[in-house]
Amino acid sequence: QKEVEQDPGPLSVPEGAIVSLNCTYSNSAFQYFMWYRQYSRKGPELLMYTYSSGNKEDGRFTAQVDKSSKYISLFIRDSQPSDSATYLCARSGAGSYQLTFGKGTKLSVIP
Amino acid sequence: EAGVTQSPTHLIKTRGQQATLRCSPISGHTSVYWYQQALGLGLQFLLWYDEGEERNRGNFPPRFSGRQFPNYSSELNVNALELEDSALYLCASSSTSGGDQETQYFGPGTRLLVL
Repeated sequence: QKEVEQDPGPLSVPEGAIVSLNCTYSNSAFQYFMWYRQYSRKGPELLMYTYSSGNKEDGRFTAQVDKSSKYISLFIRDSQPSDSATYLCARSGAGSYQLTFGKGTKLSVIP
Repeated sequence: EAGVTQSPTHLIKTRGQQATLRCSPISGHTSVYWYQQALGLGLQFLLWYDEGEERNRGNFPPRFSGRQFPNYSSELNVNALELEDSALYLCASSSTSGGDQETQYFGPGTRLLVL
């Protein structure tokens, strides 16, 4: 079982929709969780970073961690065409700093 | 503040050759991480350097190696290139002070094509 599982999509939504992106992980020793956004042919850009369970909000983005069910989510409100990208979830911890990534979900927001 | 920079942006090699990729971290960051992003495989951890030392390596053969220089920049070397080494190679940096070790910032990557 891969340590971080992520539905690769693709996911296509109309502009203004609420987007829900999800990942599951298998090792409960993981402590830190991140969401990165990667535009085509670019490096990943850090969106959200969280340590504990619960919600963290930043503008239109909300990251949610449920450690009891080993589930992490990213919600995008009022989605825009500029949000069209691949979204990568990642975790670190368990005694190491390198990140383990999900395979990414490709999102298209249609005007 | 300048971000992580990588060079070259593109690199074309043939099987059996060696490739050298370079990375400059964000000013003040001492840790450099290398990842490989191959089509269909996602981002996979390659190497981690901190304060000039290799701290950890991922599940890659020894022909993937690198080093970190005194100015914290880093070099990734791939020897005896194989076709499946074709990928986007990403460098990330982080600070090892202030409890922010887990926040990694990525460069734009070097796209390596092996023919």
